[in-house]
Amino acid sequence: AQSVTQPDIHITVSEGASLELRCNYSYGATPYLFWYVQSPGQGLQLLLKYFSGDTLVQGIKGFEAEFKRSQSSFNLRKPSVHWSDAAEYFCAVGAFSGGYNKLIFGAGTRLAVHP
Amino acid sequence: DTGVSQDPRHKITKRGQNVTFRCDPISEHNRLYWYRQTLGQGPEFLTYFQNEAQLEKSRLLSDRFSAERPKGSFSTLEIQRTEQGDSAMYLCASSSSSEETQYFGPGTRLLVL
Repeated sequence: AQSVTQPDIHITVSEGASLELRCNYSYGATPYLFWYVQSPGQGLQLLLKYFSGDTLVQGIKGFEAEFKRSQSSFNLRKPSVHWSDAAEYFCAVGAFSGGYNKLIFGAGTRLAVHP
Repeated sequence: DTGVSQDPRHKITKRGQNVTFRCDPISEHNRLYWYRQTLGQGPEFLTYFQNEAQLEKSRLLSDRFSAERPKGSFSTLEIQRTEQGDSAMYLCASSSSSEETQYFGPGTRLLVL
């Protein structure tokens, strides 16, 4: 069965420090992979996506992610975190079914940023 | 392009009451999805529409839940005889057939007392 694991429930970093959020997926075929960010009480905003091609993808707000098929991972990175990055981050895999993708999400990683 | 909108943003109801939520997708998107998100969890898929046809329903969608998209534009999600376990954030997303990216609305947060 398809699944997404985000091993870190909470992460705290200092402003200006680098960040890596981990995501592992289980999916039988080549996955469509996504990272979304959610601020408190808000919907989800797409940060970046991977469908095919270059395994290092760039997103909005200075985020990037790298697809590693051998490790079934799609980790999110940012070289220098800003206080406004504090939010919850969700990794998702698109489970292809009957011509469309339904998203399967991980449980999320809550990021806190210390000044 | 005003994005996906949802109404209401918040709903408090008493157990046993019926509630209805509305989702307006991005105008050119023919695909519409509903998800439910409980506290501390990621969203879970509920149902999917392509145009006006409801093509998949999750097992999470009990008989008390019904969703419609009558003209292939906006969609409604109704919960009958609400239970405390229905308390959650209900998220709507839309996408086009040519792009496999789902764009989410702000969600409707339901609290059942």
